[in-house]
Amino acid sequence: DIQMTQSPSSLSASVGDKVTITCRASQSISSFLNWYQQKPGKAPKLLIYAASSLQSGVPSRFSGSESGTDFTLTISSLQPEDFATYYCQQTYSSPPAFGQGTKVEIK
Amino acid sequence: QVQLQESGPGLVKPSETLSLTCTVSGGSVSSYYWTWIRQPPGKGLEWIGYIYFGGSTNYNPSLKSRVTISVDTSKNQFSLNLSSVTAADTAVYYCARVFDTTAGPRYDYWGQGALVTVSS
Repeated sequence: DIQMTQSPSSLSASVGDKVTITCRASQSISSFLNWYQQKPGKAPKLLIYAASSLQSGVPSRFSGSESGTDFTLTISSLQPEDFATYYCQQTYSSPPAFGQGTKVEIK
Repeated sequence: QVQLQESGPGLVKPSETLSLTCTVSGGSVSSYYWTWIRQPPGKGLEWIGYIYFGGSTNYNPSLKSRVTISVDTSKNQFSLNLSSVTAADTAVYYCARVFDTTAGPRYDYWGQGALVTVSS
């Protein structure tokens, strides 16, 4: 099975900050990598698919990139509604594993 | 707008079978893959399995011996059965639609989630 390792597991940031979250795959997954945002008590919401494609309706301050087996989610200017937990997910092979999550908290 | 809604018992006894149904509205179950994901309290997301409307399935190997996912196109629903449950199966269970393209599958519509507690 492919393992997905996210870092950091949590971070504190202020409104307006640039935030970067990394997800590393245990082997090549091409660009089959999705990012989700989850707020407390809510279902996850798709933000980015295919490593860098923005899901319809998602603000453009969210972006994704890749370099080999390393994938990055960037929030260019953190907004109050962005405080949440973020998960990556590989869909290259079954089972489609999620990362362990990165919690973005208010500094 | 596609909407998904999980339903089923919120409390299941150990060794019994957990059964949940996901009702799809605003769209047809007869076109996509549909999946179940769960999240133990305070923990991360775990993929359980998926079904195609034609009936083909794929399950997480860690749960495969206990999981059955089925679809009822006449009711526009799909269902999850998880047998021989233990406290470790206590979780919020989500259903979701799988939008699959050459760019890879992604889960674009989700239900609100259903908390299932395993306890005697």
